[in-house]
Amino acid sequence: EVQLVQSGAEVKKPGESLKISCTGSGYTFATYWILWVRQMPGKGLEWMGIIYPGDSDTTYSPSFRGQVTISADKSISTAYLQWSSLKASDTAMYYCARSIGGSGSNFEFWGQGTLVTVSS
Amino acid sequence: EIVLTQSPGTLSLSPGERATLSCRASQSVSSSYLAWYQQKPGQAPRLLIYGSSSRATGIPDRFSGSGSGTDFTLTISRLEPEDSAVYYCQQYGFSLGAFGQGTKVEIK
Repeated sequence: EVQLVQSGAEVKKPGESLKISCTGSGYTFATYWILWVRQMPGKGLEWMGIIYPGDSDTTYSPSFRGQVTISADKSISTAYLQWSSLKASDTAMYYCARSIGGSGSNFEFWGQGTLVTVSS
Repeated sequence: EIVLTQSPGTLSLSPGERATLSCRASQSVSSSYLAWYQQKPGQAPRLLIYGSSSRATGIPDRFSGSGSGTDFTLTISRLEPEDSAVYYCQQYGFSLGAFGQGTKVEIK
């Protein structure tokens, strides 16, 4: 059974750093793309970026390039989303998802979400 | 960057009725890379349709997708109470993806 399990909720202060994780199981982690999605409170889904864990090939949405870093460690089947300096506007639910096939196009399996709250 | 515009914003229908949701792209999208997702409150999104018309595993056949180029449609043939949710289209092209802003389906 394919599963993506995300790290737990975080409460941080503005300016702090953060790295959240997404661990895959039940499939060959290196050979499927992982997508990160932001959902701000009461808002829609935003495509942040994708990574191919096999070679760490990464693409960012222009809106998120330079704001976050996406990485992966295929040896432990885990993808990461990190911030070096959080802002209050980073408060959101973040989801990871696995591609339906070998292209980074559509995403079939989703993590449960990680709620990030940034507040002074 | 391709922008997806969904309409209507909200659809309010009775059980058994047919729901037609639209997704329009700012430029042509490969049909292979157009998907639809359902999201219920407090839950992660669920893939319904990929490749514009293929149902994902376990999705009932009352959900169907169609379209090409810049115009795509998700149809729910006979609404059930559990179909109350927000529906998003999503495309991928030129190594970038995007979601539409969503259509909320309410069941009367």
